[in-house]
Amino acid sequence: GENVEQHPSTLSVQEGDSAVIKCTYSDSASNYFPWYKQELGKRPQLIIDIRSNVGEKKDQRIAVTLNKTAKHFSLHITETQPEDSAVYFCAASKGTDKLIFGTGTRLQVFP
Amino acid sequence: EPEVTQTPSHQVTQMGQEVILRCVPISNHLYFYWYRQILGQKVEFLVSFYNNEISEKSEIFDDQFSVERPDGSNFTLKIRSTKLEDSAMYFCASSLGGGETQYFGPGTRLLVL
Repeated sequence: GENVEQHPSTLSVQEGDSAVIKCTYSDSASNYFPWYKQELGKRPQLIIDIRSNVGEKKDQRIAVTLNKTAKHFSLHITETQPEDSAVYFCAASKGTDKLIFGTGTRLQVFP
Repeated sequence: EPEVTQTPSHQVTQMGQEVILRCVPISNHLYFYWYRQILGQKVEFLVSFYNNEISEKSEIFDDQFSVERPDGSNFTLKIRSTKLEDSAMYFCASSLGGGETQYFGPGTRLLVL
């Protein structure tokens, strides 16, 4: 079945710097790749997603890139702010239903 | 903006007891899911449900687990005889269609003693 790996497990950046989180997936049939942000004790919240028919998507300070050939996708956060501190999960899906999540990245943004 | 809701927010139970976790998906959504997250770990898929039947389940979802949509709004997860290792946060999610964005509820934190 699908396996999603995520790196790094922790990431510390200074406010204003950029943060990049990378994921790889194993199943070439996967075609939907969402990113969720989870604050401590809260629900995962979708922040951006990308489908396999596009290579890049941007929403303000957040962007996601997808390389289908290499089977990896990345989350880019620019001009980080302290409120970006959270755990970020990537996920992959074959477009039917279940999401397979990565192991998470704990992002800390220091003022 | 409509949200997925879950009750209770916390549940403490004794090993061997039955628990029912309740979810109210977003009203026009057709696909429903349960996931669990053991403390400090990743979110894991349990089961998906569409058209009043299970469409897929993981190996975690054994005979002790069942799901039901008893009426037009609720979606429940039952654990028949809880084990210590069932302690986790259980998230319900729903989506408008298969492969569409999944929206998560706030979770039920289950503690089995």
